[in-house]
Amino acid sequence: GESVGLHLPTLSVQEGDNSIINCAYSNSASDYFIWYKQESGKGPQFIIDIRSNMDKRQGQRVTVLLNKTVKHLSLQIAATQPGDSAVYFCAENAGGTSYGKLTFGQGTILTVHP
Amino acid sequence: KAGVTQTPRYLIKTRGQQVTLSCSPISGHRSVSWYQQTPGQGLQFLFEYFSETQRNKGNFPGRFSGRQFSNSRSEMNVSTLELGDSALYLCASSIPAGNEQFFGPGTRLTVL
Repeated sequence: GESVGLHLPTLSVQEGDNSIINCAYSNSASDYFIWYKQESGKGPQFIIDIRSNMDKRQGQRVTVLLNKTVKHLSLQIAATQPGDSAVYFCAENAGGTSYGKLTFGQGTILTVHP
Repeated sequence: KAGVTQTPRYLIKTRGQQVTLSCSPISGHRSVSWYQQTPGQGLQFLFEYFSETQRNKGNFPGRFSGRQFSNSRSEMNVSTLELGDSALYLCASSIPAGNEQFFGPGTRLTVL
């Protein structure tokens, strides 16, 4: 039969705005989290990561927030630019011998309008 | 430093055939993971190899297999291809101990 595709959440912002992309993760044992950006025709590109012993980590124009109580992760992008338009994925890892196994969220499509 | 390379970039096969995809990790990276990306299921973990041993495996049928060589290069094989195997197959490499995975551009497999 015909497969149904994932309906990815979308976020549309104006250039210069701040963007917030949210992600709910499933495994309470996960201790490492990563945000990836994927542009059309390319593999996922690492943006920022955070370990479970932290609740906030900042990079260049990006901040990741981790709330382990409600198993929620967010990515904040400051002064969003058209080049930030892509699909953004959160990924979790349970650690230990599972470090090579990432579980990905469904993704969010970010569109930045000039 | 060169990134993760995958060959071929595009592949067209017919049902029932088999296919082998190749991945060369970043120099010094010893862990290689494979993922399948489809519009219907998103990004799903296939398996991970470290020091020529499969360390983790996802929920895929036995038609999907892989291996890693002593130089850390990895191959994955899909036998008896089905239409539903059409996907972007991504390889990622990392040094061990929980560092980020770096992805290659993927191999786009189309099964007709």
